[in-house]
Order: sequence, then C-alpha cells, then structure tokens
Amino acid sequence: EAQVTQNPRYLITVTGKKLTVTCSQNMNHEYMSWYRQDPGLGLRQIYYSMNVEVTDKGDVPEGYKVSRKEKRNFPLILESPSPNQTSLYFCASSLQGPDYGYTFGSGTRLTVV
Amino acid sequence: AQSVAQPEDQVNVAEGNPLTVKCTYSVSGNPYLFWYVQYPNRGLQFLLKYITGDNLVKGSYGFEAEFNKSQTSFHLKKPSALVSDSALYFCAVSPRGGSSASKIIFGSGTRLSIRP
Repeated sequence: EAQVTQNPRYLITVTGKKLTVTCSQNMNHEYMSWYRQDPGLGLRQIYYSMNVEVTDKGDVPEGYKVSRKEKRNFPLILESPSPNQTSLYFCASSLQGPDYGYTFGSGTRLTVV
Repeated sequence: AQSVAQPEDQVNVAEGNPLTVKCTYSVSGNPYLFWYVQYPNRGLQFLLKYITGDNLVKGSYGFEAEFNKSQTSFHLKKPSALVSDSALYFCAVSPRGGSSASKIIFGSGTRLSIRP
C-alpha cells in the first residue's frame, strides 16, 4: 500500500531534550515536506525537500532541522524543543512538488513540557 | 500578501441536504487550487484539484468544486451530504502552479458536521 509512515504518533517530552520524528514514504516521491498544524492557523510548512540532499526552509523553520540522505526518508529533528513547539506535525510527500497533490502521514502529536 | 480564506469555522448540514464549504483566495496569476479532507486522528487526504479548463471539478467521495475566477473562489460542494462526510476540510492554493518549487498555502480549515 502506498503510504507515508510517521513515528511516533504521540510524544511527550521535556524542554531541551533532543528528539527526532521519522518519516518514510514508499512511493518513490521526489518531494517531501513537514508541516505543523495549530488550531486556527491551518497548516504551516516547516521544511521541504525537492530531492536527496536538497532541502529548504518553509515558513516556520526556526527550531527545526531536517535531512534527506535517502529518497524515502525525511526525518524532522528538534535539537532543543520548547513548549511553543507543542503541535500536531505532518509529513507529506508528492511526486515532484505539491502541485501534484500530497500524500500525508497520519501525524505526530508532540507535547513539550 | 498571498492568502487563502475559509470564512466559516464550522458548517452544519442535515444528512441528505446539499452542502457548500467556502474558499476564497488572494493570489496573482493562474494558481492551482486544491481541497483536502482530514478525518479524526488521520492525515489529510487529497480530494480534488483545479488546474485549468472546466470550472466544475469532480473529486473523491462525490465531492465537486466550482472555480470562479472573477470572484477568486473555489467552493467545495456535494449534492447530498452523508454523516460520514463529517470532517475537517482544507482549501489550498499553489501560486506558481506547475513548478516543483511551488509553495502551497493552506486555509485554516472548516469543520463540516452532518447531523442524521
């Protein structure tokens, strides 16, 4: 089944403790992206990647890092999480860009205390 | 500034009645337009998109959307609502339609509630 797999689904952590949210897709998509969803704000793009070793900032990149060493994986790294990063995070992939339509993962609900 | 507006936070409709979820945008040029649906505890799912051509676009689950260039709107519609249509709906716009580097802008979402 074609899908985007995120892990974990739920995570509670403490301020400053580094964490990684994994994202993997099995559709050979070139484009991958991370979004955060907050009430009343819709989805805001954190980072995106147009291909292996090609990443760029989205609208809200501060406090986040990403890497794209392999085509299928696009992990999101929070080096020093803060409470304002408490949010619902989605990974998404697309054949060559968002104009082709996204496939989204099921989401990771992160709480930073 | 480029933006997408979903003016209603919530839309309530009785099962069997037609439904409309509104979306307007402020983007120059000829954007690509999308609707996504989010069911509880799930990621967003692609419903439909408009690129060019016929102003009425048909998508998944019996949904359709009407593009109106003069009103810069892209309203989502369904002739007969089902309880299972209850979900959060997002309108999205890609200002530089067709580019791999295009950025997509999401609206804030509209919660659709269908009562039996």
